[in-house]
Amino acid sequence: GQQVMQIPQYQHVQEGEDFTTYCNSSTTLSNIQWYKQRPGGHPVFLIQLVKSGEVKKQKRLTFQFGEAKKNSSLHITATQTTDVGTYFCAGPFNQAGTALIFGKGTTLSVSS
Amino acid sequence: DAGITQSPRYKITETGRQVTLMCHQTWSHSYMFWYRQDLGHGLRLIYYSAAADITDKGEVPDGYVVSRSKTENFPLTLESATRSQTSVYFCASSATGNTEAFFGQGTRLTVV
Repeated sequence: GQQVMQIPQYQHVQEGEDFTTYCNSSTTLSNIQWYKQRPGGHPVFLIQLVKSGEVKKQKRLTFQFGEAKKNSSLHITATQTTDVGTYFCAGPFNQAGTALIFGKGTTLSVSS
Repeated sequence: DAGITQSPRYKITETGRQVTLMCHQTWSHSYMFWYRQDLGHGLRLIYYSAAADITDKGEVPDGYVVSRSKTENFPLTLESATRSQTSVYFCASSATGNTEAFFGQGTRLTVV
């Protein structure tokens, strides 16, 4: 089946610094989704990218989908303590796209 | 209230016992999923269902059984629990297999 790899596993930043997490697949993805899980919480959908080279922004968050549709990134500008949590990318489990598989996630901690 | 609910939230069981985790959604989503979350492994897909009476294996199905007699319910059964099945289990649903997934609050299962 498909696999999505995510790096880094952990990242600690000072409040105000930028943060980036990367997601890679060995195969072309029809789409990629990003989720955020706060400590003790459940994953919550952030965004879906579908088009090659697509870039979407949500306030301080910028999401990119690679030209080859094999990689993606999430960049947070000027992190805040509210950004703390684990960020997951997710891609199709199979060609039919009947389920999602998740990367192992990047856990972000922020100190003020 | 509309949403997806899991029960119980916490469960301790003994090795060898059968335990069933419940999941109920009120959106009439066609797709439902079970994931387990373990430190260092992220979210791993156990089973998924595209509709009532249609279920398929995910990444880690061994030791688990699912059924889906009604669209809104998707119970997960551990027929003979093992310590390696100690985990946090998340149920999720989505309109299609490839769109935004909505997660329940999770069930923390401990097998002793």
